[in-house]
Amino acid sequence: NAGVTQTPKFRVLKTGQSMTLLCAQDMNHEYMYWYRQDPGMGLRLIHYSVGEGTTAKGEVPDGYNVSRLKKQNFLLGLESAAPSQTSVYFCASNADRGNGYTFGSGTRLTVV
Amino acid sequence: DAKTTQPTSMDCAEGRAANLPCNHSTISGNEYVYWYRQIHSQGPQYIIHGLKNNETNEMASLIITEDRKSSTLILPHATLRDTAVYYCIVSRGSNYKLTFGKGTLLTVNP
Repeated sequence: NAGVTQTPKFRVLKTGQSMTLLCAQDMNHEYMYWYRQDPGMGLRLIHYSVGEGTTAKGEVPDGYNVSRLKKQNFLLGLESAAPSQTSVYFCASNADRGNGYTFGSGTRLTVV
Repeated sequence: DAKTTQPTSMDCAEGRAANLPCNHSTISGNEYVYWYRQIHSQGPQYIIHGLKNNETNEMASLIITEDRKSSTLILPHATLRDTAVYYCIVSRGSNYKLTFGKGTLLTVNP
């Protein structure tokens, strides 16, 4: 099992460009999440999904969109990147509330 | 979800037990206590969780006080590879999300 795989691992964007971060899990988990982590800070929830076809806003959703068309994939989109979105992005999944999350290894995004 | 309070940093000698405290005085009856850790730049790793009883797994033990207002994560024989930021999280969210604070930086010294 690969667990949670994030693509790409690194990316540099220019202000105003768009991109999509892909999160894929092979554990048949129902719930998936996108977090961002800024230097010296804890993780902050951007968006999450409680099942295929569903999405919901987290703590810091502005500037991001998400889609969960397939159960195993959770996409995070930036329509018009801004320097404030420079961060490390982590995807996570879990089967139900009683279980711990499995996190991916992160995507390091720099917006210049 | 209840808020948690953790020390900013702690030190531990290699081979000794590391005891990481967490206060969660506003915890509700159906809220779980979760512990995660994050080794430099990696994705967080789930360690253990509990509701009211003490829990133990291959990584650690979780001791929850009887009134559930605080807990302690115990790493029985800390190694250098246990140096990480440890997050204590309390959650009952019907939408299953976890809120991460700044955690405790545990440094294991040789």
